[in-house]
Amino acid sequence: AQTVTQSQPEMSVQEAETVTLSCTYDTSESNYYLFWYKQPPSRQMILVIRQEAYKQQNATENRFSVNFQKAAKSFSLKISDSQLGDTAMYFCAFVFIQGAQKLVFGQGTRLTINP
Amino acid sequence: GAVVSQHPSRVICKSGTSVKIECRSLDFQATTMFWYRQFPKQSLMLMATSNEGSKATYEQGVEKDKFLINHASLTLSTLTVTSAHPEDSSFYICSAPPGGKDGYTFGSGTRLTVV
Repeated sequence: AQTVTQSQPEMSVQEAETVTLSCTYDTSESNYYLFWYKQPPSRQMILVIRQEAYKQQNATENRFSVNFQKAAKSFSLKISDSQLGDTAMYFCAFVFIQGAQKLVFGQGTRLTINP
Repeated sequence: GAVVSQHPSRVICKSGTSVKIECRSLDFQATTMFWYRQFPKQSLMLMATSNEGSKATYEQGVEKDKFLINHASLTLSTLTVTSAHPEDSSFYICSAPPGGKDGYTFGSGTRLTVV
């Protein structure tokens, strides 16, 4: 079975700092997508960034970027110039391109940005 | 972007009664809907996958008779918690599979409290 592991239950940084959230996954497949989702206190799930496994180039979205290491099965999220609004739970997730398209989530990392 | 409207956002019911949660895709047709349960400070746990016009597929350990899922149209999927008990109190979220670049679309969630 596929698993996604986030080894940092909680993290806390000061506003404007850079923070990196870790994620590792386990699969024998080669075609899949990886996601980072943010869940603020409102509990609405918000897509932060997405990476196709067949793309070597790391995805970026403004202040958010990933370090995708396919051989190591690692998918970390870097948040630059962190803002108070970045405070949330962050979930790493995995899905096969083919098949039932079920998202597999990691345990989550609670990120707090302090003023 | 694609929107999934989930109602109600909060519901309190008495033990032994049934509660229905609706998820509607507002501007696209969702042939598949995923239903998740989330306990406080935990990750999303997939309960079942509903497919329009066919029976839902339940994850191992999920009681089919307690959590009735119906996907009668391309825009509506419902989850009914039958004979609810306090242990069914939780946060329930629906999600539709990828809508292009935006990835999975999530409902805003339903907080169920059984008293």
